[in-house]
Amino acid sequence: DIVMTQSPLSLPVTPGEPASISCRSNQSLLHSNGNTYLDWYQQKPGQSPQLLISLVSHRASGVPDRFSGSGSGTDFTLKISRVEAEDVGVFYCMQALQTPRTFGQGTKVDIK
Amino acid sequence: EVQLVESGGGLVKPGGSLRLSCAASGFTFSDYSMNWVRQAPGKGLEWVSYISSRSSFIFYADSLKGRFTVSRDNAQNSLYLQINSLRAEDTAVYYCARGARDSYNGLDVWGQGTTVSVSS
Repeated sequence: DIVMTQSPLSLPVTPGEPASISCRSNQSLLHSNGNTYLDWYQQKPGQSPQLLISLVSHRASGVPDRFSGSGSGTDFTLKISRVEAEDVGVFYCMQALQTPRTFGQGTKVDIK
Repeated sequence: EVQLVESGGGLVKPGGSLRLSCAASGFTFSDYSMNWVRQAPGKGLEWVSYISSRSSFIFYADSLKGRFTVSRDNAQNSLYLQINSLRAEDTAVYYCARGARDSYNGLDVWGQGTTVSVSS
């Protein structure tokens, strides 16, 4: 199974400041079709998870452009350009290259 | 409105069985692959199962093979998860999530989840 490792696991943030979460996989997520199968999900308190970004950098419909994804191979980053209070929650990366799909441990983002 | 609504959770004794359902609406269900994902209390997300649009391909988390069975009824716009020989560690919120149609686009629609509690 592909192991996904996120850091940090806890991220206190100041509104208006940028934030960054790292996700690493223990093998490349690049498929022979040229796509890299790495997603980001956000789970706000008391809610279901929601898709933020697929295929490393494709923002889902309705996701604010302050969220961006980058990376390649085994190293990926989710960036929030200016954190807002509504962004608190837990962020997960997930690999979709192969089954079983696997998630990172989650990064809890809260306001300082 | 695109929507997934899970049902069928509840309190079950160890060794019991449950059948979870996920009702889809607002999109052409038969065009999409589907997934089940679970979350134990206070824990992270764990992928459970995948089923392709026509049920041609089915996959499970390795640790769950043999006790979990995913199925779908495209005529009824419904996804199912049969769980047998329930264990305490199966206690979790179970989410259904929409997968790909023509090309991969993430798990882009999630239900609100249904809670399974396994306890004597």
